[in-house]
Amino acid sequence: GNSVTQMEGPVTLSEEAFLTINCTYTATGYPSLFWYVQYPGEGLQLLLKATKADDKGSNKGFEATYRKETTSFHLEKGSVQVSDSAVYFCALSQVDSSYKLIFGSGTRLLVRP
Amino acid sequence: GAVVSQHPSWVICKSGTSVKIECRSLDFQATTMFWYRQFPKQSLMLMATSNEGSKATYEQGVEKDKFLINHASLTLSTLTVTSAHPEDSSFYICSARTIATDTQYFGPGTRLTVL
Repeated sequence: GNSVTQMEGPVTLSEEAFLTINCTYTATGYPSLFWYVQYPGEGLQLLLKATKADDKGSNKGFEATYRKETTSFHLEKGSVQVSDSAVYFCALSQVDSSYKLIFGSGTRLLVRP
Repeated sequence: GAVVSQHPSWVICKSGTSVKIECRSLDFQATTMFWYRQFPKQSLMLMATSNEGSKATYEQGVEKDKFLINHASLTLSTLTVTSAHPEDSSFYICSARTIATDTQYFGPGTRLTVL
């Protein structure tokens, strides 16, 4: 079945450091891939998405490229800020599964001043 | 655009009572809404999928008689936790999607505490 695997956290970085959060997936066909962010006590916000191979999603300095050959969708940011501290979820969906989202376990990011 | 609201944002109730949570899409028509449950420091667990005007589809292991879902219009879905018990205490999050996109937009969540 379909699944998403994320690197375990927490990830602790200093402000302005480079961020990578790894995400790999298992799916048949061509799923859409997403990164969602959850701030403490809140719901999820869509951060970025990609719908086909080699697409790059980007938003607020974050980027992720849909790599079909490595079944990966790693999240990157060149210079993190304290306000980026949150939990990040990688997810996939497919039309033949009613667009249900399959989430990774989430990665907590803590950015220190 | 694509804003989803939930009400209430938090609720405390006594064991044995029922609680209703509303999920609204404010600026788009949601053909499908999803209800999730999230335990502390864990990922989201899909409870059910509801399509406007039809019965909800529950995930395996979710008691449909306990978690009643109604999707009466294209902008409103409700989750009623019946005869709530302390083990039902959790963070409940809804999401919505429109037929035009594969993207789900999430509400801010409702924290339920059953005493």
